[in-house]
Amino acid sequence: GQNIDQPTEMTATEGAIVQINCTYQTSGFNGLFWYQQHAGEAPTFLSYNVLDGLEEKGRFSSFLSRSKGYSYLLLKELQMKDSASYLCAVRRGKTSYDKVIFGPGTSLSVIP
Amino acid sequence: EPEVTQTPSHQVTQMGQEVILRCVPISNHLYFYWYRQILGQKVEFLVSFYNNEISEKSEIFDDQFSVERPDGSNFTLKIRSTKLEDSAMYFCASSEARGPAYNEQFFGPGTRLTVL
Repeated sequence: GQNIDQPTEMTATEGAIVQINCTYQTSGFNGLFWYQQHAGEAPTFLSYNVLDGLEEKGRFSSFLSRSKGYSYLLLKELQMKDSASYLCAVRRGKTSYDKVIFGPGTSLSVIP
Repeated sequence: EPEVTQTPSHQVTQMGQEVILRCVPISNHLYFYWYRQILGQKVEFLVSFYNNEISEKSEIFDDQFSVERPDGSNFTLKIRSTKLEDSAMYFCASSEARGPAYNEQFFGPGTRLTVL
């Protein structure tokens, strides 16, 4: 089976840094995604990690530890528009079939 | 910038009716997916499709569901006899072939299905 856990809600201040954690248990791990989803909209891709370590992309960074089944998304210089749900998703399997299992999402509120 | 499109944006149907949700993936993409998201819940994988056949499907994707790529551009999801619990947002996604770019799935804007 598989299980993905994220905090349900987080609040952070504009201009600050926030870290959103994700833990997972799954067989056949083949990569972890972070997506952003604004209310009523489709998920949009933020990052992908398949090897251990930190991937940096502008204000967003994502970290993966496969041995710990742990990832985090780091958002720097928070802006009001960053208020959204952040979805951790795990890809299973060694083929191109790309089954991606989503976590429940973390609703981030950025306050002035 | 290329994008995945979906029609209609909102579909209302009576329980027991058949619905077809349509998607046009990004033109050079080879892998296609359907997901659903019940209001307030997580995104759930339904099915992946490659080379004109289903690659993988979830337990949600039962005999009431089918997918088709009827021509070179469209990718459809059919629900044969809708149930109340099929009410959800349905997202289509596509991705390129193997390689770093393959890792990103591009999502369409979704079709909100309401079953009455």
